[in-house]
Amino acid sequence: DQQVKQNSPSLSVQEGRISILNCDYTNSMFDYFLWYKKYPAEGPTFLISISSIKDKNEDGRFTVFLNKSAKHLSLHIVPSQPGDSAVYFCAAKAPPQGSGNTPLVFGKGTRLSVIA
Amino acid sequence: DSGVTQTPKHLITATGQRVTLRCSPRSGDLSVYWYQQSLDQGLQFLIQYYNGEERAKGNILERFSAQQFPDLHSELNLSSLELGDSALYFCASRGQSGGYTFGSGTRLTVV
Repeated sequence: DQQVKQNSPSLSVQEGRISILNCDYTNSMFDYFLWYKKYPAEGPTFLISISSIKDKNEDGRFTVFLNKSAKHLSLHIVPSQPGDSAVYFCAAKAPPQGSGNTPLVFGKGTRLSVIA
Repeated sequence: DSGVTQTPKHLITATGQRVTLRCSPRSGDLSVYWYQQSLDQGLQFLIQYYNGEERAKGNILERFSAQQFPDLHSELNLSSLELGDSALYFCASRGQSGGYTFGSGTRLTVV
């Protein structure tokens, strides 16, 4: 059962426009959410995160919005640039349990293509 | 360069064989996580080590095992390989700041 879902496998956006990538989760214990970007032949790189105590976090062109009641988060990229073309993964994490840190749970990713 | 080193980058092997994937975490990071990414799938958590001890286990098959050594590098051992084990295997390390840093992965192809 997928706890983190990215229902759009791909998204195509024109350069300069807004890209909106969506992510839904089912586990209400998740309290920290991250977005990773992945280029071919590279590992995922951290992009932006948000704690469940916030509903918005902004870093330059990237903004993540969290709607806890809907168990939904989204990543906005404005303006989109051709270099943003990559696969974007949504990830979520629950609080640590006992002596163990809980791992990140990833969605399947959305491939963003920004067309010049 | 993320600071997390994974070797080899590519591996092609036959069914039934055994392989070892290696990961060196970023300097100072004590936690190592292993993930598997199969075709069209997200990253599936396999196992976590912290300072040499296993801390969490995910969807790791019994044919797979891992360990973290005193120098903090980690190895993921995959045995009795099947075609379905073909995937990208990523290692991530986590530091005191809480950030996860991924290596560039090992692409395993089982033929």
